[in-house]
Amino acid sequence: AQSVTQLDSQVPVFEEAPVELRCNYSSSVSVYLFWYVQYPNQGLQLLLKYLSGSTLVKGINGFEAEFNKSQTSFHLRKPSVHISDTAEYFCAVSRTGGGNKLTFGTGTQLKVEL
Amino acid sequence: EAGVTQFPSHSVIEKGQTVTLRCDPISGHDNLYWYRRVMGKEIKFLLHFVKESKQDESGMPNNRFLAERTGGTYSTLKVQPAELEDSGVYFCASSLLEGQPQHFGDGTRLSIL
Repeated sequence: AQSVTQLDSQVPVFEEAPVELRCNYSSSVSVYLFWYVQYPNQGLQLLLKYLSGSTLVKGINGFEAEFNKSQTSFHLRKPSVHISDTAEYFCAVSRTGGGNKLTFGTGTQLKVEL
Repeated sequence: EAGVTQFPSHSVIEKGQTVTLRCDPISGHDNLYWYRRVMGKEIKFLLHFVKESKQDESGMPNNRFLAERTGGTYSTLKVQPAELEDSGVYFCASSLLEGQPQHFGDGTRLSIL
């Protein structure tokens, strides 16, 4: 079984400041890793994914994440946030090799302030 | 292309009543998933269809929940009878192939009074 821990439930940050949202996972098998974003009153939108290859993954809206296998982490970063980045962010994993149901973390609410 | 569509967006019913949620996946997506988020908790997997077959229903809470996908197109999730703890947001997602990222609908917010 897999599990995902998002260490921060809420992250307040000022506009144009950098941000890092933390994600750690636990799994006995190889996994794919994802970050999803949920804007108010909307569904989940895929930000980025790690399937294989380069451990630094770039996504939409200027976000990137780095897969660290030894630390079992997949932290999400953005060098300069905008008000429009205010949303809830979910880290998720699925096992490789079939049956790719997602296991989610509890979410991190990012609040960007002026 | 049209995204994943869920109906209704909101549903408020009384305990003991029946509710049916519907999901229309992206056209051509054989894989369809249901998830649920109870308030304050993480999003949890309910079940996975491949075409019309249930591939994995390990997340279904109990036998008050019935999911169908007749003809391998849209899916329905029926809760009968509804209990207070069934309140939450129900998400549907679809993907073309297993292993590919899942595309989510906007969810159905279900409130049981």
